[in-house]
Amino acid sequence: GAGVSQSPSNKVTEKGKDVELRCDPISGHTALYWYRQSLGQGLEFLIYFQGNSAPDKSGLPSDRFSAERTGGSVSTLTIQRTQQEDSAVYLCASSPPMGRNTEAFFGQGTRLTVV
Amino acid sequence: AQSVTQLDSQVPVFEEAPVELRCNYSSSVSVYLFWYVQYPNQGLQLLLKYLSGSTLVKGINGFEAEFNKSQTSFHLRKPSVHISDTAEYFCAVSLIFGNEKLTFGTGTRLTIIP
Repeated sequence: GAGVSQSPSNKVTEKGKDVELRCDPISGHTALYWYRQSLGQGLEFLIYFQGNSAPDKSGLPSDRFSAERTGGSVSTLTIQRTQQEDSAVYLCASSPPMGRNTEAFFGQGTRLTVV
Repeated sequence: AQSVTQLDSQVPVFEEAPVELRCNYSSSVSVYLFWYVQYPNQGLQLLLKYLSGSTLVKGINGFEAEFNKSQTSFHLRKPSVHISDTAEYFCAVSLIFGNEKLTFGTGTRLTIIP
């Protein structure tokens, strides 16, 4: 597609349930990021994929959070046993291969509400 | 590791007045620098970026930023703001050599007062 696509755009889930958030990056982009934006807060880095390298998971807040990227394209962020503090907008971004153009292109985000 | 500091969380400015949003970074190696803007209820979009060359970078909507290596700053400026500039502005940095992960500041909310 023309841009980074995230689904669903909105997700309401009950506390304790697992959720999966999906990101389709721009075709050909080797880098993919997940960020979290809580109300009134900045962008919190979660995880970074670059090509076939091991992902940088240093931002994942707990072991309830995990992400994978299949075939170097689509990525899924999974949150297990959701808590109310997980409520936030989850943003995905992708960027071209290293050294070409380091601009990151963002999706519209998934608004997660844990009730 | 690199880091970004945006000291001003909120900046109110009267319409048609000038504005400067401050950004300082910390890194032991050379970096690329970016400003992103998030308009209300919208996603993030690139405002401008510094990769190399001239230290004064011009972006969209009349914004510009100046890279100052000695002060490790990349402040964003606009000579005359408009109501439509009301948004959240994020400064970001990535390493020139390395995995190029983008690190963002906490953002500055710019509010334009009519």
